[in-house]
Amino acid sequence: ELKVEQNPLFLSMQEGKNYTIYCNYSTTSDRLYWYRQDPGKSLESLFVLLSNGAVKQEGRLMASLDTKARLSTLHITAAVHDLSATYFCAVDQIQGAQKLVFGQGTRLTINP
Amino acid sequence: ETGVTQTPRHLVMGMTNKKSLKCEQHLGHNAMYWYKQSAKKPLELMFVYSLEERVENNSVPSRFSPECPNSSHLFLHLHTLQPEDSALYLCASSPYATGGEQYFGPGTRLTVT
Repeated sequence: ELKVEQNPLFLSMQEGKNYTIYCNYSTTSDRLYWYRQDPGKSLESLFVLLSNGAVKQEGRLMASLDTKARLSTLHITAAVHDLSATYFCAVDQIQGAQKLVFGQGTRLTINP
Repeated sequence: ETGVTQTPRHLVMGMTNKKSLKCEQHLGHNAMYWYKQSAKKPLELMFVYSLEERVENNSVPSRFSPECPNSSHLFLHLHTLQPEDSALYLCASSPYATGGEQYFGPGTRLTVT
């Protein structure tokens, strides 16, 4: 059974700083997704990573996937307050019952 | 309308009430999902439907009853709920039930009194 773990679960940082959120998963997969959720809102798709070495960037966020290490990173560059949200990674379980498995989420707070 | 819609957006119900949550997707997808999100457990998959057939039921209490009359509509019928069922209920859809990116609706904030 695929397990997806995010680290850290809570992150408080200052504007202008850089930081990385990590997403580790336990079994082979080459399909990973990042979502953003604002408080009380739904999940918004950020990135779709579909192969080893895939890198996607949107504004101050950059996501990458290393399928051999079973690791994805979400890097935040020069953080701004508007990026405060909870970020989820989700991985396609491709062995056994095929389904999308979510991490616990990382609650990111960016302080002025 | 486009994407995934849910109604109502907010619902307050007593423990003896019966209510239903509705989800509609306008994406032509074949799979639909119900998730529960609460402070204690961030995202719990409740039910999965593929081509109107239920393919997964993650040990959800019988007071939650899903219905999928066609590939565009999904309902969650609620009866005799408990206060701990208060949560954000999210509907999602995807092209197929065998994994892949899911598209989420805005959610229904449910409060059980």
